[in-house]
Amino acid sequence: GAVVSQHPSWVICKSGTSVKIECRSLDFQATTMFWYRQFPKQSLMLMATSNEGSKATYEQGVEKDKFLINHASLTLSTLTVTSAHPEDSSFYICSVWTSGTQYFGPGTRLLVL
Amino acid sequence: QKEVEQDPGPLSVPEGAIVSLNCTYSNSAFQYFMWYRQYSRKGPELLMYTYSSGNKEDGRFTAQVDKSSKYISLFIRDSQPSDSATYLCAMSGGANAGKSTFGDGTTLTVKP
Repeated sequence: GAVVSQHPSWVICKSGTSVKIECRSLDFQATTMFWYRQFPKQSLMLMATSNEGSKATYEQGVEKDKFLINHASLTLSTLTVTSAHPEDSSFYICSVWTSGTQYFGPGTRLLVL
Repeated sequence: QKEVEQDPGPLSVPEGAIVSLNCTYSNSAFQYFMWYRQYSRKGPELLMYTYSSGNKEDGRFTAQVDKSSKYISLFIRDSQPSDSATYLCAMSGGANAGKSTFGDGTTLTVKP
């Protein structure tokens, strides 16, 4: 399987600030990475597909100007939550797809005060 | 109607019991079927992965796929308190190749 890391594991920020979350594929070159959001007691909701060297593809209802995705290399994708608000507080998880299945990072818990 | 249906539970069983977790789906193009285990405040961990129909066994875990019925199952034998977690089914294929559609997850508690 693939090993995926995320940084930071948790972050607390003030409303109106921006937060950057990094996702790294440690043993696999990922041309595509996925960003999910998970609210308490709910399942994973796909936010966007991050494509190396090109623009991300966002799911319906996800604001691309609020959730900026950069996939600058085959091992790194970043998600920036801009002008964060309390309703953005959630668990953000990235994943990679290889050999027919998905492997997930450990997640980043964001709390916006 | 959701593409993937999963009973959210919660499910509570005594230690040593056999646990059966299930999902149904509507998209006949799905070919890859996965089960993930997610502990609280952690990312999902891949447990089992099956391509197309059939059974797959790994230790105490057995995954079954019945494409004719659009029904998948995960069995856990000799359940342990450490198995207490949320179990998510996921599947992909066809137009969804490259990204998975998830069930809502079933919360399992194994009591000592």
